[in-house]
Amino acid sequence: DAKTTQPNSMESNEEEPVHLPCNHSTISGTDYIHWYRQLPSQGPEYVIHGLTSNVNNRMASLAIAEDRKSSTLILHRATLRDAAVYYCILRPIQGAQKLVFGQGTRLTINP
Amino acid sequence: IAGITQAPTSQILAAGRRMTLRCTQDMRHNAMYWYRQDLGLGLRLIHYSNTAGTTGKGEVPDGYSVSRANTDDFPLTLASAVPSQTSVYFCASSRSPGQPQYGYTFGSGTRLTVV
Repeated sequence: DAKTTQPNSMESNEEEPVHLPCNHSTISGTDYIHWYRQLPSQGPEYVIHGLTSNVNNRMASLAIAEDRKSSTLILHRATLRDAAVYYCILRPIQGAQKLVFGQGTRLTINP
Repeated sequence: IAGITQAPTSQILAAGRRMTLRCTQDMRHNAMYWYRQDLGLGLRLIHYSNTAGTTGKGEVPDGYSVSRANTDDFPLTLASAVPSQTSVYFCASSRSPGQPQYGYTFGSGTRLTVV
């Protein structure tokens, strides 16, 4: 399975934008890029996904590099409730049952 | 609210006892999964089911069994619990295993302590 690399931790201030990076240099052409987050004492929560184009939804935006070897999850205006571990995951078409979690990025939001 | 219900939320279990963790979804998703989460090891897949009547082994299946008699339910059984099975267990579902454009929905987890 193609792997992702994320910083272990990041810190930001409330009401400021947050850019969470993810490197996936071995991504294949059919891998979708998924982002999940896990709030304290909760199960993971789907955030957003994309294949080639940038994506927006009510939670966040996903910016995908032109060569698809990296992506960035953007929280436009962080709140305290966004403090969580964020996981960047590649989901291939084949073997799609294997959603493989890495260590993720622990995001701390300062009031 | 549509989603996944896991029960119990927490349990302390004596080693050697049998235990079934329950998972029910009301989204009519075809695929269901069981993960365990341990400090420093992240989330690891135990078993999965692509559709009712079928199951498969994940990364850490030893000591666990599953069944998928219908679309909604996916129980996880520990036949004879051991302390190394102390963990937080998450059940998840997705619309279809072969369609990666759909995300997973996770339950709130079961915290299991084997003593």
